[in-house]
Amino acid sequence: NAGVTQTPKFRVLKTGQSMTLLCAQDMNHEYMYWYRQDPGMGLRLIHYSVGEGTTAKGEVPDGYNVSRLKKQNFLLGLESAAPSQTSVYFCASSRLRLYNSPLHFGNGTRLTVT
Amino acid sequence: KQEVTQIPAALSVPEGENLVLNCSFTDSAIYNLQWFRQDPGKGLTSLLLIQSSQREQTSGRLNASLDKSSGRSTLYIAASQPGDSATYLCAVSGGQGGKLIFGQGTELSVKP
Repeated sequence: NAGVTQTPKFRVLKTGQSMTLLCAQDMNHEYMYWYRQDPGMGLRLIHYSVGEGTTAKGEVPDGYNVSRLKKQNFLLGLESAAPSQTSVYFCASSRLRLYNSPLHFGNGTRLTVT
Repeated sequence: KQEVTQIPAALSVPEGENLVLNCSFTDSAIYNLQWFRQDPGKGLTSLLLIQSSQREQTSGRLNASLDKSSGRSTLYIAASQPGDSATYLCAVSGGQGGKLIFGQGTELSVKP
């Protein structure tokens, strides 16, 4: 049971570079989310999707873009990385809306921007 | 604005002890509350989900309670083991589009 898979696990970028974080889930979940986790700030929602072809902004969307072209994949893009985007990024999915369905997380991508 | 607080930030107990982790939230208009476990370098694993209409949920040695009126939840761990060592986070789902608002977590260490 793979669940939620994130690639890469680690990445170092220089300021201004771009990259895409990949998230794949094999549970046929409708809802997918991208969070970032920072010391002292906890987990904060970046963007989310309520189904294939849809995306919406979360709490901290600036500097990020997302796409959900296929139901099982949710991509997070950084067009021009900044040191403030150094963080651990988690992808998650849920079968139903969050008020009646648990959240399943990937193991995270640790990103450092120098 | 919903705020979720977990106290203490860290807790160390000897193996075999029963323990309680606390979670409080400021807005009682929630849909549900979830407890998660996070091991170092890993993602979060959902432990228990309590709907707003429920008072408690149990899974093995874990029991979570919810008191919406007072804005509190507790996670009770019976007969703790070293393998229970991890960070435990609670999160509430309510307004703001039903998104989850997370606490900062309690880092639990169970000593053999």
